[in-house]
Amino acid sequence: DIVMTQSPLSLPVTPGEPASISCRSNQSLLHSSGYNYLDWYLQKPGKSPQLLIYLGSNRASGVPDRFSGSGSGTDFTLKISRVEAEDVGIYYCMQGLQTLRTFGQGTMVEIK
Amino acid sequence: QVQLQESGPGLLKPSQTLSLTCSVSGGSVSSAGYYWTWIRQHPGKGLEWIGYIYYSEKTYYNPSLKSRVTISLDTSKNQFSLELTSVTAADTAVYYCTRGSEVVAASYDFWGQGTLVTVSS
Repeated sequence: DIVMTQSPLSLPVTPGEPASISCRSNQSLLHSSGYNYLDWYLQKPGKSPQLLIYLGSNRASGVPDRFSGSGSGTDFTLKISRVEAEDVGIYYCMQGLQTLRTFGQGTMVEIK
Repeated sequence: QVQLQESGPGLLKPSQTLSLTCSVSGGSVSSAGYYWTWIRQHPGKGLEWIGYIYYSEKTYYNPSLKSRVTISLDTSKNQFSLELTSVTAADTAVYYCTRGSEVVAASYDFWGQGTLVTVSS
């Protein structure tokens, strides 16, 4: 199984300020197609997870452009350019390279 | 807009069989390109992938659960289902049904609201 490790696990943020979450895998997620099979999901309090980013850097439909994903191979980053109050929740990375999908532990983002 | 809705018993006793159904609206479970997937979340914990059924009815299960899991498709009702046998307290979790779409590289673009299943004697 591919092991996904996120950091930090808790991230207090100030509205209007940028925020960044790291995700590392113990195997490369770079497919022979040239795409990195890495997703980012946000689980808002009391809600189901929602897709933010797929293939490492592609924003899902309806996702604000303040969210961006980057990275390749084993190291990935989710950035929020200016945090808004509605961005609080738990962020998960997930690898899609292997059929058995695995998730990071989650990063809880909360307002300071 | 695609919507998914889980249904099934919320309380089970150890050794019983967990049976959940996911009703899909706004899309067809028999349409090509979709992986109908179950994911669970233990209380206060992260996400665990259980398995999927493809529109062609091909299935793949998490090896850690494979001996106890069956996912099936009911195209006449536009539903898919999860069965997990011989449950224990460790199976207490919120169960989500989701859709993996090849349009977004099989990522999960629509989720049900989740249903809590508690296993307790």
